[in-house]
Amino acid sequence: DTAVSQTPKYLVTQMGNDKSIKCEQNLGHDTMYWYKQDSKKFLKIMFSYNNKELIINETVPNRFSPKSPDKAHLNLHINSLELGDSAVYFCASSLRDSGGICTFGSGTRLTVV
Amino acid sequence: AQSVTQPDIHITVSEGASLELRCNYSYGATPYLFWYVQSPGQGLQLLLKYFSGDTLVQGIKGFEAEFKRSQSSFNLRKPSVHWSDAAEYFCAVGVGGNKLVFGAGTILRVKS
Repeated sequence: DTAVSQTPKYLVTQMGNDKSIKCEQNLGHDTMYWYKQDSKKFLKIMFSYNNKELIINETVPNRFSPKSPDKAHLNLHINSLELGDSAVYFCASSLRDSGGICTFGSGTRLTVV
Repeated sequence: AQSVTQPDIHITVSEGASLELRCNYSYGATPYLFWYVQSPGQGLQLLLKYFSGDTLVQGIKGFEAEFKRSQSSFNLRKPSVHWSDAAEYFCAVGVGGNKLVFGAGTILRVKS
C-alpha cells in the first residue's frame, strides 16, 4: 500500500503543452505539498495545502496551479510548459503540526522537449 | 534568510568505515532539523529529526546526528557504513508552517 502516490512517474511533453500531475495520500494527513527538484538536485517547496486551503505559495510562475479537491489529494497543473520546467516534482504529506516530518512520494520526472 | 549548507557534494567511503556528513544551517530561531535520504528513483525518507532536548538524536538504519548550536551544525554520522547506504542525503531546517528548506545534498558512494 503506497502511502503517497504520484502519477505519472514519467512525463515527456513538448513546449507549450499543458499537463497535470496527480497526488494522493492514504495516511490520513491533513497537509500536502509540492516540491520541485531541479537538475542540480535542489529541492524547493512550491505549494502547501491544509484541508484544501492554500497555506504556502512560494514564488512560482502562475502557469503552475495546484488544486486540492479534498485533503487526500493535491494535483498540480502546469500550463504552457517551458524547457525550464523540466525537473522532478515531489508530492509530500504531513499532519499540520508535524514540524516538518513529511512523507514523500517517489516523484514525477517531467521532461519538456 | 534561512539556508542550509552541505559542503560536501560527494563522499566516498569504504564499506565498514565510519561516516560523517556535514550540515550547517542559518536560521534565526530555534531550529527544527532533519536528515532525509533519497535512494535512486525514490522519494525522500526521513532518517531522523531534532526538535528539542538531547542534542544527540538517533534515527533509522543506525544513523545518528548531533545538534551543535554554537556551530549551527547538525552533522550526520554512522559508525559502520553498509553498501546499501549509498544514496543522496539531504539536511533540512523547518522554518515554520511545516516548510522545509533543504541543503543541496551529499551523494554517498560506498566502495567494497
